[in-house]
Amino acid sequence: GDSVTQMEGPVTLSEEACLTINCTYTATGYPSLFWYVQYPGEGLQLLLKATKADDKGSNKGFEATYRKETTSFHLEKGSVQVSDSAVYFCALSEFQGAQKLVFGQGTRLTINP
Amino acid sequence: GAVVSQHPSWVICKSGTSVKIECRSLDFQATTMFWYRQFPKQSLMLMATSNEGSKATYEQGVEKDKFLINHASLTLSTLTVTSAHPEDSSFYICSARDGNREVTDTQYFGPGTRLTVL
Repeated sequence: GDSVTQMEGPVTLSEEACLTINCTYTATGYPSLFWYVQYPGEGLQLLLKATKADDKGSNKGFEATYRKETTSFHLEKGSVQVSDSAVYFCALSEFQGAQKLVFGQGTRLTINP
Repeated sequence: GAVVSQHPSWVICKSGTSVKIECRSLDFQATTMFWYRQFPKQSLMLMATSNEGSKATYEQGVEKDKFLINHASLTLSTLTVTSAHPEDSSFYICSARDGNREVTDTQYFGPGTRLTVL
């Protein structure tokens, strides 16, 4: 079945550092890919998404490019802030049908001032 | 827009009792809602998919009779944990998909409900 694998955390960085959180997927079809963020004490929020190969999703300075050839959707940000501290989840959904989300295990990110 | 609420945000109950959790889409019609379970420091595991007016579709390994799901309207789905036991203690999260065709691949998540069974 479909699956998503994220780099293991926790990840701790200093403010203004560069961030990359790796995400690879396995899917039989052509899924949509997502990054969700969960801030402390809050529910998951959609951060960005891409629906087809070579699409780039971006939001709040974060970017991720849908790479079909490497089955990857790595999350990147050039300069992180303390407010970016959260748990980040990579996910995919089937193109058709119920469009269930399959999540990676999550990566906890802590940014120190 | 696209706000999903859950009630209660946390609940503590005695073993053997039943607990109902509500999930509401506040500003859109949710043709499909999803229920997830999240264990500490782990990912979300899909429990079931519910479509308004029809029976829920449960994932493999999820007991239908234990986790009753009702999606009676386009803005409300409920999850009832029947005869709860300590191993049912977890964080339960719902999500809803907007009925707007242009965004059908996006799910909006509720803040979650922390269930503790004593």
